[in-house]
Amino acid sequence: DVKVTQSSRYLVKRTGEKVFLECVQDMDHENMFWYRQDPGLGLRLIYFSYDVKMKEKGDIPEGYSVSREKKERFSLILESASTNQTSMYLCASRLGQGTRGYTFGSGTRLTVV
Amino acid sequence: GENVEQHPSTLSVQEGDSAVIKCTYSDSASNYFPWYKQELGKRPQLIIDIRSNVGEKKDQRIAVTLNKTAKHFSLHITETQPEDSAVYFCAASAGGTSYGKLTFGQGTILTVHP
Repeated sequence: DVKVTQSSRYLVKRTGEKVFLECVQDMDHENMFWYRQDPGLGLRLIYFSYDVKMKEKGDIPEGYSVSREKKERFSLILESASTNQTSMYLCASRLGQGTRGYTFGSGTRLTVV
Repeated sequence: GENVEQHPSTLSVQEGDSAVIKCTYSDSASNYFPWYKQELGKRPQLIIDIRSNVGEKKDQRIAVTLNKTAKHFSLHITETQPEDSAVYFCAASAGGTSYGKLTFGQGTILTVHP
């Protein structure tokens, strides 16, 4: 089974802090994704990467950036955390375009105070 | 871009009844439609998917139907059991320049009462 591991299950950060959320997958998947999950809004795409060092904006990229220096690792960066970024963040990976659905990580519950 | 609408937002059924969740999508280029189940405190997991060249797909008690003309697809769960209680998400993706990224619906909280 593919494993997608997110480094933290729960995080509490202060407003204005720079926050790093890490995601690692162990099956040489090309594509990786960051979503945030909020009640009633489903999963909304923040950024995705279809290959190493490549990144594309999703539907809600404002206030976020990403880094993918190695194939297995995809980092989400909150440049200056704000309270409206309090959410569940889910990382996912996929072998490549045209393959079946994603494998998700367990999520990081981020609270910004 | 793609927009996926999912209904209902909550669904309550008695054990043994059937449950149906419906989704509509906006991008006629979408060609892949997965469904995910997320149990409380756990990650979403793929339960069934369908591609646009197929109208229906079944896997034991779950089935998905797709109407490309109307741009809607549905999840059907028969003989529901308490362990079916979860949040269900539909999604859609297109190929080409969208890189096949998934756009999700808002989710349906399914509760199966014993």
